[in-house]
Amino acid sequence: DGGITQSPKYLFRKEGQNVTLSCEQNLNHDAMYWYRQDPGQGLRLIYYSQIVNDFQKGDIAEGYSVSREKKESFPLTVTSAQKNPTAFYLCASSMSGSETQYFGPGTRLLVL
Amino acid sequence: GNSVTQMEGPVTLSEEAFLTINCTYTATGYPSLFWYVQYPGEGLQLLLKATKADDKGSNKGFEATYRKETTSFHLEKGSVQVSDSAVYFCALRVNAGGTSYGKLTFGQGTILTVHP
Repeated sequence: DGGITQSPKYLFRKEGQNVTLSCEQNLNHDAMYWYRQDPGQGLRLIYYSQIVNDFQKGDIAEGYSVSREKKESFPLTVTSAQKNPTAFYLCASSMSGSETQYFGPGTRLLVL
Repeated sequence: GNSVTQMEGPVTLSEEAFLTINCTYTATGYPSLFWYVQYPGEGLQLLLKATKADDKGSNKGFEATYRKETTSFHLEKGSVQVSDSAVYFCALRVNAGGTSYGKLTFGQGTILTVHP
C-alpha cells in the first residue's frame, strides 16, 4: 500500500529536550511538508521541501528544524527553543507540480 | 497576503439535513480551492477541489463551486449522514512559483456533528 506514515502516534517531551517526529512516504512524491494544528485553528506551515537536500521555512519555523537526505523521508525536530510545542503535527507530500497534498495520520506531541 | 475564512462552528445537524459550510478567501494571484476533511484522530483527506472560476468540485455527495465574483467556495451536501461528522477545512493554493509554490493556506476548520 502506498501512503504516508508518521511515528510515533503520541510523543512526550520533557523540558529542554529535543524530539524528532518521523515522516516517511512511498508515493515517490518530490515535495514534502510539515504542518502544525492547534485546537480551533487551521493548519500552519512549519517547513517544506520541494526536492532532496533542499527545504524552506514556512510561516512558523522558529524552534523547529528539518532535514531531507532522502526522497522518502522528512523528519521534523522540535527543539527546546520551541516554547509551546504541544500540538498535533501533520506531514504531507505531493508530486512536483501537483496541487493535491496527501496527509499522514499525524503525531500528537505533549509536554511533560 | 492569502487568507481563508470559514463560518464559525461547531455545526450540529440531524441526519438527512441540508449542510452548508461557508468559506471565503483573499488571495494574490489565481488560487485553486480545496475542501479537506479530518475524521477524529486522523490526518486530513482531500474531499474536493476546483482550480478555476465557476468550476464545481464534487465528491461523496458534497459539492462546492468556485465563485470568483464573491471570492467564495461554500461546501454543501443535500442530506448528511452520521458518518459525515468530522472537521472540514477550506484551503487555497496560489498557482505561482517561488516560495509560495505548493503552499496551502487553511481556514480554521468547522466541526460538524450529525445526530441520528
